[in-house]
Amino acid sequence: KNEVEQSPQNLTAQEGEFITINCSYSVGISALHWLQQHPGGGIVSLFMLSSGKKKHGRLIATINIQEKHSSLHITASHPRDSAVYICAVIFGNQFYFGTGTSLTVIP
Amino acid sequence: DAGVIQSPRHEVTEMGQEVTLRCKPISGHNSLFWYRQTMMRGLELLIYFNNNVPIDDSGMPEDRFSAKMPNASFSTLKIQPSEPRDSAVYFCASSLSGDATQYFGPGTRLLVL
Repeated sequence: KNEVEQSPQNLTAQEGEFITINCSYSVGISALHWLQQHPGGGIVSLFMLSSGKKKHGRLIATINIQEKHSSLHITASHPRDSAVYICAVIFGNQFYFGTGTSLTVIP
Repeated sequence: DAGVIQSPRHEVTEMGQEVTLRCKPISGHNSLFWYRQTMMRGLELLIYFNNNVPIDDSGMPEDRFSAKMPNASFSTLKIQPSEPRDSAVYFCASSLSGDATQYFGPGTRLLVL
């Protein structure tokens, strides 16, 4: 049983498409992170949120605490968005990771 | 700022050898995290420190693994003795506090033969 479930596991999109990646969790939450891991292996923290919505450029992250669900949206997707996106839930001292969503954006 | 610095970037060693991974967090950050990533298990938190004190080491696989943070600007993760199943990418990250945005280092790719 995974405390954090992501969907889809793999996603291929055409450049310009609107993309949504979902994260559901079954544990309590202090904060939720969305991480991006590039094909070269480097990891970047995109968002850390505990309520509502955050926006940074073409990326939007939302969280619904009651439904225990978060979404990461990418507007006007671009091939450079191709990466693995990982959802991580922090509850107290515990960290729970999703298995990641592999996104490929085709020109 | 140079970001989180990890060394070495790559390490190849033989089973049974001691391996030491190093991390320099971003100056001013109070929390430091060690992660391991494998194809099979994905990203796992091994241990994290707050103000140089280990807060949670429940993710440390076994007694062969140990981590220290002697001061605010340096941490080590040691594996002794190393085993082939320890082969993974080890990431260090730091943040202003335990639940703030984390900044990841480039990782150390470890291969134990």
